[in-house]
Formats: sequence, C-alpha cells, structure tokens
Amino acid sequence: EIVMTQSPATLSVSPGERATLSCRASQSVSSNLAWYQQKPGQAPRLLIYGASTRATGIPARFSGSGSGTEFTLTISSLQSEDFAVYYCQQYNNWPPGGTFGQGTKLEIK
Amino acid sequence: EVQLVQSGAEVKKPGESLRISCKGSGYSFTSYWISWVRQMPGKGLEWMGRIDPSDSYTNYSPSFQGHVTISADKSISTAYLQWSSLKASDTAMYYCARPVGATVTAFDIWGQGTMVTVSS
Repeated sequence: EIVMTQSPATLSVSPGERATLSCRASQSVSSNLAWYQQKPGQAPRLLIYGASTRATGIPARFSGSGSGTEFTLTISSLQSEDFAVYYCQQYNNWPPGGTFGQGTKLEIK
Repeated sequence: EVQLVQSGAEVKKPGESLRISCKGSGYSFTSYWISWVRQMPGKGLEWMGRIDPSDSYTNYSPSFQGHVTISADKSISTAYLQWSSLKASDTAMYYCARPVGATVTAFDIWGQGTMVTVSS
C-alpha cells in the first residue's frame, strides 16, 4: 500500500500570506492526487484533483502542483475561512479508494 | 442538487449489530460507485470500501475486509454500511462519498457523516 506523508503537521500563517503544504508518496502516483479541506464538524471538501485541477466552485487562490511522488498545495492569500485541516489522497494504486495523508493543520499565526 | 444524505447518529453497546445508510439524490445513483470512509476521533481519513450500485459489486480495504459489509438497494438509491458485532474501536464518524468519475476516484460529493459511538 502506498503511504502518503504530509508536511508540516501544523503550519502557522498570517491572513493574507501564502501557505504551502506538501505531500509525498512512497511510490509514484502519476498525477492521481487530490487535496481536501476539512473544517471542524464538517465533511471533507474536495479542492483539487488530478494534482492541479480545481474542483467545481473552488476559488482560484487554491492551486495544486506536482507529479510522481512530490505534490504541493498552495493557497495564495489566506482568508479567515481557509484555516482548517488539509488532506492529500492518492487514487492511482490499490486500494481503489486510495490512501490519505495524515493531514496538515493550517492555523492562524 | 446532487447530494448524499446519511442516517443519524447511533449509540450502541459492544456486540450489537448496526446498519447505517446513505441516500443519493439529484443524479443517476447507479452511475457512480459509493465509498465509505472512516474518521476516528481526532484522526485522519481511511477508505473502507466501495460498492457499484448497479450490480452491488464491492471492493474492500484489507483493513476492513471481514469486519464490515457494504450493500446497496438501487430501487431506493441507498447504500449501507453494516456491522454484525460492534467493538468499542468502531467508534468513529463514517462518511459516504461519491467520486468525480469512473476513472477519477477523488470524492467530490460527501454525506454529512454518521457518528457511531460504541460503549458499554
């Protein structure tokens, strides 16, 4: 099973600044990588799939990049509503539903 | 509106059985697999398994194979997750989710979650 490792575990950033979150796969997942945002008490929300395609309704300040084993989620100018936990997910290899990273908590500095 | 609506929170005792549900609406229910995802308290997301509602074919994560059963009733656009004998370690939030498409198994539609608490 592919292991997804996210870093850092916690990221402290001020509103208006840029946030960069990383996700590494233990083996290549091509571009079959998604990013989710989860706020307390809510279901996850899909932000990015295909490593760089924004899901419907996702603001342009969210962008994804990378392929193979190294991926990045960038939030260009943090808004108050962006402080949450972010998960990456590979869906290239078994199991069919993929495997998730352990999450990065983005908190207000 | 495309949505998945899950059944309400459950409180059970160890050894009891349970079935929770996930009803799809606003789309062709048989055109998309439905997956179940577990989130233990304060922890991350774990994919449990999925079902093709058109023929009830299932896949399970090895971590959950034999511990849960996923089923569906396409006549009422509903998928189910069930346990025959709950354990305290089954305490978690359970989400159903629909993928973007057949070849893109990122999940763009999620249910609101069903909290299952197992305690004596």
